[in-house]
Amino acid sequence: SQQGEEDPQALSIQEGENATMNCSYKTSINNLQWYRQNSGRGLVHLILIRSNEREKHSGRLRVTLDTSKKSSSLLITASRAADTASYFCATDGAGGFKTIFGAGTRLFVKA
Amino acid sequence: GAGVSQTPSNKVTEKGKYVELRCDPISGHTALYWYRQSLGQGPEFLIYFQGTGAADDSGLPNDRFFAVRPEGSVSTLKIQRTERGDSAVYLCASSLTGGTGNEAFFGQGTRLTVV
Repeated sequence: SQQGEEDPQALSIQEGENATMNCSYKTSINNLQWYRQNSGRGLVHLILIRSNEREKHSGRLRVTLDTSKKSSSLLITASRAADTASYFCATDGAGGFKTIFGAGTRLFVKA
Repeated sequence: GAGVSQTPSNKVTEKGKYVELRCDPISGHTALYWYRQSLGQGPEFLIYFQGTGAADDSGLPNDRFFAVRPEGSVSTLKIQRTERGDSAVYLCASSLTGGTGNEAFFGQGTRLTVV
């Protein structure tokens, strides 16, 4: 089963615009991570935010976490065509050892 | 090695056959994970190793699936009596230590097609 659900399922924007993806989850977490995947193969870790953090930045990425609403958002500013990929949120399952992924948001950035 | 290596990158097998998928984690990483990803879905957890032992195998779908990591490094995912529904990309990841608070590094996956 998948704990996280991303919204929207797909997003198409123009280069230079900002892209916002949301993730909702069901049970309490210790941390939440965002990953990126190109062409359905290997995933690349983008950012990790712990349950006691509310916001984190990394380059053009901004992640927020609202544990009261069990939700997170990933903002990519000034998007580029190279940002075209699928983005997944991932949370820790019971016991804290396994990472559970959502179904992902497919982002398409038009040049 | 420089990253997580998975072999083969693609595998086509006939229904009912046995397959083995190999994962070489990053040197020194004690935690190793296997995931399965179907088209349009997120990765689905299968099994987690801490060292040589399977710390959590709750994601293995049935007893046709088995994984080993005998020396705490390379891992092999074994699937017996393959079925068409086993077709997916099988992803392996490793991290320096166990626990989800650590960054996991993924391999490029093995695309398994059962015909």
